Formats: sequence, C-alpha cells, structure tokens
Amino acid sequence: GQNIDQPTEMTATEGAIVQINCTYQTSGFNGLFWYQQHAGEAPTFLSYNVLDGLEEKGRFSSFLSRSKGYSYLLLKELQMKDSASYLCAVAADDSWGKLQFGAGTQVVVTP
Amino acid sequence: KAGVTQTPRYLIKTRGQQVTLSCSPISGHRSVSWYQQTPGQGLQFLFEYFSETQRNKGNFPGRFSGRQFSNSRSEMNVSTLELGDSALYLCASSQTGNTEAFFGQGTRLTVV
Repeated sequence: GQNIDQPTEMTATEGAIVQINCTYQTSGFNGLFWYQQHAGEAPTFLSYNVLDGLEEKGRFSSFLSRSKGYSYLLLKELQMKDSASYLCAVAADDSWGKLQFGAGTQVVVTP
Repeated sequence: KAGVTQTPRYLIKTRGQQVTLSCSPISGHRSVSWYQQTPGQGLQFLFEYFSETQRNKGNFPGRFSGRQFSNSRSEMNVSTLELGDSALYLCASSQTGNTEAFFGQGTRLTVV
C-alpha cells in the first residue's frame, strides 16, 4: 500500500534546529516535496528532492535517500513564525500534479 | 504575478444539494490539481487536469467531478452532498505538472 509517515508534533526553542523525518512506501517515486502550512492558510512550497542528497534553501534544507525511502526537512535558526504544520508529499506517478501527503508534523517554537 | 485564486472562500450547503467550486491558476500554469483536507484524513488528492483533460484521479466517489477550461481555469463539482464532504478544498497549479505546485487559499465547505 501507500504510506507516508512523519511525526505528529515536535517542539523546539527559538534559535534552535529541528529535523522532521519522513519515511515513505509508495508504488512509484518521482519526487518528494515539503510544504509549510500555517493554521487556516494554504500550504506553501518549501523544497523538493528528486535525486539523493541535500538541497539547501536558506534556513531550510531537505535530504533524500531513495534507497531507504527516507527524507528529512531541517529548519535552522528557528523563529516564532516557523510554528506551523510541515507536510511531506510524494509524487508517485509521472505527474507532480498528483501528490500523496503525509499527515503533517506540527512544529511548535517556544521562546 | 497573482497567485492561485479560489472562489468562494466559504460555503454552507445542506445535505443532498450540489456545489461548484472554482479555481483560477497562476497565469501560464496549465496543470490544476484538487485536494480535500480534513482533520481526520489530511490532504487527499481528488484529480488533476492538464490542457482540459483529466490526467489523474484519486479514490473518491463519482459524486466528485471536475473540468478545466481552455484558459486553464478549473471547476470541481460535488453532487448529493453528505455531511462527510465538509472539508477544506484546495486547488494547486503548476506550469506543466512536473514543476512545483502552488496552492490557493482554499474553499471551506460546510455541509449541514
């Protein structure tokens, strides 16, 4: 079956680093995406990985290991505004327009 | 550049009625996908349209349908509404379907 797992909630202190893990078992793989969603708002695109390795975008980095079915999102220098749900999504088919999402990880940043 | 626009933002409907939601993608984007978001099930894929053709479909009953127009705007329709259809319906657009997708603010549908 299709399964995308990520922790339900993580708490970290302002200025710290948090790593959100995502494991997936899907029938195919064409890319892994990370989105941020604040309560009551639309998901916003953060990063994607198609090949193994690390992609860095400012304070956010994402890593992928296709052989392990594993990815993580690293958030550095946490700010209060980073408190949000972080969604891991896999494009299992040829089109990235069909994404399978994990349940999301709620990150709570404390002062 | 304007983002993805969804209308209406909020809707209240009665069981048994039908509803039509609209999505205007980012200019130049030809792929439009629809998702349903609920607290219990999370984000679930409904369907994807590209150049007026349905390219992918999720595991939803036939009451859920959609279409895309020549200007890439898309609509989705839900007939014979059930209480369980209460959800946030999100639309996402991308240039080709193989580039990152950008979401609209969603339509919050409440079925009473």
